[in-house]
Amino acid sequence: NAGVTQTPKFQVLKTGQSMTLQCAQDMNHEYMSWYRQDPGMGLRLIHYSVGAGITDQGEVPNGYNVSRSTTEDFPLRLLSAAPSQTSVYFCASSPRFDSFHQPQHFGDGTRLSIL
Amino acid sequence: EDKVVQSPLSLVVHEGDTVTLNCSYEVTNFRSLLWYKQEKKAPTFLFMLTSSGIEKKSGRLSSILDKKELFSILNITATQTGDSAVYLCAVEVEYSGGGADGLTFGKGTHLIIQP
Repeated sequence: NAGVTQTPKFQVLKTGQSMTLQCAQDMNHEYMSWYRQDPGMGLRLIHYSVGAGITDQGEVPNGYNVSRSTTEDFPLRLLSAAPSQTSVYFCASSPRFDSFHQPQHFGDGTRLSIL
Repeated sequence: EDKVVQSPLSLVVHEGDTVTLNCSYEVTNFRSLLWYKQEKKAPTFLFMLTSSGIEKKSGRLSSILDKKELFSILNITATQTGDSAVYLCAVEVEYSGGGADGLTFGKGTHLIIQP
């Protein structure tokens, strides 16, 4: 049981390049989300999904796209990278309807630098 | 706009001291309040609180929620150097369709325990 797996762990991009950050979970969780963490800040919600085929915007969605074609995977796409997107990105998942009300579990993060 | 405020933002104490970390919040559709510990990588879950006045305890750590005054505290007794970390408070809100929604995080308290 791997939990939440993020790839890659590190990435350096040039301004204007595009890339996809991968997130996969093997716990059959309906809810998945992406956060970014900048120095001195807590985590800020980018996008989230409450199930396959359903996505919604969080607090800071501009410059990012997501899709949820399967329960397991929730990729985050940067369409045209900008230096302001330099950050550490975390993916998280949890059951959506759960009588035990489990907390969100986080992946180990992707450290992204945009030059 | 949902808001979570943690205080202090940083704290330096000596090993063996007791510390109290604060978290206040203003959110709509409150579902739960969570505490996470973050060292070098992903936030790791500590407590989830949903009911007012009920203390959650795990070893030297404890937490309590006051839903009337909209705050929570995290206590750490007999601190050790291994407690050095950023402690994050997050509030989970109810999704419009029911069930879990995104987390709104505070900026975190950076706790340093000196030997």
